[in-house]
Amino acid sequence: DAGVIQSPRHEVTEMGQEVTLRCKPISGHDYLFWYRQTMMRGLELLIYFNNNVPIDDSGMPEDRFSAKMPNASFSTLKIQPSEPRDSAVYFCASSPSRTRTRQNEQFFGPGTRLTVL
Amino acid sequence: AQSVTQLGSHVSVSEGALVLLRCNYSSSVPPYLFWYVQYPNQGLQLLLKYTSAATLVKGINGFEAEFKKSETSFHLTKPSAHMSDAAEYFCAVSLTGGGNKLTFGTGTQLKVEL
Repeated sequence: DAGVIQSPRHEVTEMGQEVTLRCKPISGHDYLFWYRQTMMRGLELLIYFNNNVPIDDSGMPEDRFSAKMPNASFSTLKIQPSEPRDSAVYFCASSPSRTRTRQNEQFFGPGTRLTVL
Repeated sequence: AQSVTQLGSHVSVSEGALVLLRCNYSSSVPPYLFWYVQYPNQGLQLLLKYTSAATLVKGINGFEAEFKKSETSFHLTKPSAHMSDAAEYFCAVSLTGGGNKLTFGTGTQLKVEL
């Protein structure tokens, strides 16, 4: 299995630009999570999906952030417009449903390091 | 609501010494508990998990953790630290009936010195 795939691995953009982060979960996993990690705030859950449906987006910082999961194998996290305070590492993770042996385990991607100038 | 508290944001040990990273949890129902490790510039990787089977859980790289309900603790230990253990370690809790959402602690940075 290829694991969770995230692209790009690094993104440098200027303030005000739109940024789109992409994630391909592990095949067969029906939960998908987006996290943000910074030195100041640590690891924060932004939003998660179950069977492509957003379940909890209470961690999304503001309306500039949006996430979609159009199908079971792809999700995007979009920031529009981006600001310097959005600079962070963004992780995607996927998880199989509780009917499988790996109950509640999350498998993380390598992350996207975003720098907004 | 569930939560975890990791005592000590930085822990330093000598190579060959015992590693002890502390985690206490709060949960209204029997929890699932996890330890993840994050090496520099990488994502989080599962070390071990407790899911109400054996209270002493063995994980990868020689780590183990013991679930103690009376102390609401799930401390991570390794008998002998190796330089390659230097990383950040996260404790996490999940509710048995709460979907697959994890609540993470703030992390403990482990430094291993010669």
